[in-house]
Amino acid sequence: DAKTTQPNSMESNEEEPVHLPCNHSTISGTDYIHWYRQLPSQGPEYVIHGLTSNVNNRMASLAIAEDRKSSTLILHRATLRDAAVYYCILRPYNTDKLIFGTGTRLQVFP
Amino acid sequence: ETGVTQTPRHLVMGMTNKKSLKCEQHLGHNAMYWYKQSAKKPLELMFVYSLEERVENNSVPSRFSPECPNSSHLFLHLHTLQPEDSALYLCASSQDPEDIYNEQFFGPGTRLTVL
Repeated sequence: DAKTTQPNSMESNEEEPVHLPCNHSTISGTDYIHWYRQLPSQGPEYVIHGLTSNVNNRMASLAIAEDRKSSTLILHRATLRDAAVYYCILRPYNTDKLIFGTGTRLQVFP
Repeated sequence: ETGVTQTPRHLVMGMTNKKSLKCEQHLGHNAMYWYKQSAKKPLELMFVYSLEERVENNSVPSRFSPECPNSSHLFLHLHTLQPEDSALYLCASSQDPEDIYNEQFFGPGTRLTVL
């Protein structure tokens, strides 16, 4: 399984944009990039996913490098409720297995 | 509320006890999953059921025994556990595991402590 590398932790102030990086240099051509987050005392929840093109949804944006060896999850205006552990996951196209790493713990300050 | 409920939310058991964890999904999904989240370790996939058939068993010890009587319910039967099995056990469900756009919906988990 291809591996992802994320910083252990990041900090942000409320109302500011947050860019959460993920490196996946061994990604294969058929791996999709998925992001989940886990709020305190909850199970993970889906955030966004993409293959090659940048993606936007109501929660976040996903910017994917042209060579696909890295990606960035963008929260446009962080709120206190965005404090969570964010997981970047590579999912092969032919399986629904999610291989979680240790993720990035995001702290948001008022 | 994700549409996936788990009971109990907390469980303390001795090594000789037998207990069961229950998961129910109200989303009409076809696949259900058990994950284990130990302290300071990534989530580990344990079992996958698709249309009530087990399609994945991720080298889990036999003291963990899953059961999926229908597409809405999933159980994890526990017996003769070890203290190192203490963890958060998460259940998830998804609509179509073969769809690349398929997202998994997680329950809140059961916090298990084995004494």
